[in-house]
Amino acid sequence: ETGVTQSPTHLIKTRGQQVTLRCSSQSGHNTVSWYQQALGQGPQFIFQYYREEENGRGNFPPRFSGLQFPNYSSELNVNALELDDSALYLCASSPLGQLIGYTFGSGTRLTVV
Amino acid sequence: TQLLEQSPQFLSIQEGENLTVYCNSSSVFSSLQWYRQEPGEGPVLLVTVVTGGEVKKLKRLTFQFGDARKDSSLHITAAQPGDTGLYLCAGVWTGGFKTIFGAGTRLFVKA
Repeated sequence: ETGVTQSPTHLIKTRGQQVTLRCSSQSGHNTVSWYQQALGQGPQFIFQYYREEENGRGNFPPRFSGLQFPNYSSELNVNALELDDSALYLCASSPLGQLIGYTFGSGTRLTVV
Repeated sequence: TQLLEQSPQFLSIQEGENLTVYCNSSSVFSSLQWYRQEPGEGPVLLVTVVTGGEVKKLKRLTFQFGDARKDSSLHITAAQPGDTGLYLCAGVWTGGFKTIFGAGTRLFVKA
């Protein structure tokens, strides 16, 4: 079975720009969650998608938005990038909720300059 | 606000020593997970505990979920350099659709 794939692996953007990060979930997983991990910190929950609907959101502003597609792949969009948005963005998938744990991708390292 | 506090934040030990990492919260969780993360990679799931008081073993690693499902511990016996990494606990909150992570314990095992 394939794991979770994220693209791109690294990205450099300028403050004020917009970015789209992509994630292909593990086969059979219908729930996708996105996390932001700053250097030296634990992952912070951004939001979760189930059956193409957002069904949970963390403490992130509306300029962080997402999509889930019928094949369960997902996108994270961030508008009006700020320097503090520099982080590792992790996508995680799980089957029917997260009680049994996530499978994570390797992440996208975003640097905002 | 649901918070998970991990301790210690950093641990440097010699090969062969034992260690315990703690994860505490004031919130009750439906389940609690432990992950290990290497630099530049995503976290990898080690174990999920669901029942209060549950104990699970994975080779030299022993995981325990507190009776009240608010805390957990990870004990490593005879640590090896390959155990080096960031250990993260994560709780699935009973009141919503999200999993929250602790800040992690960075373990370094010296040969």
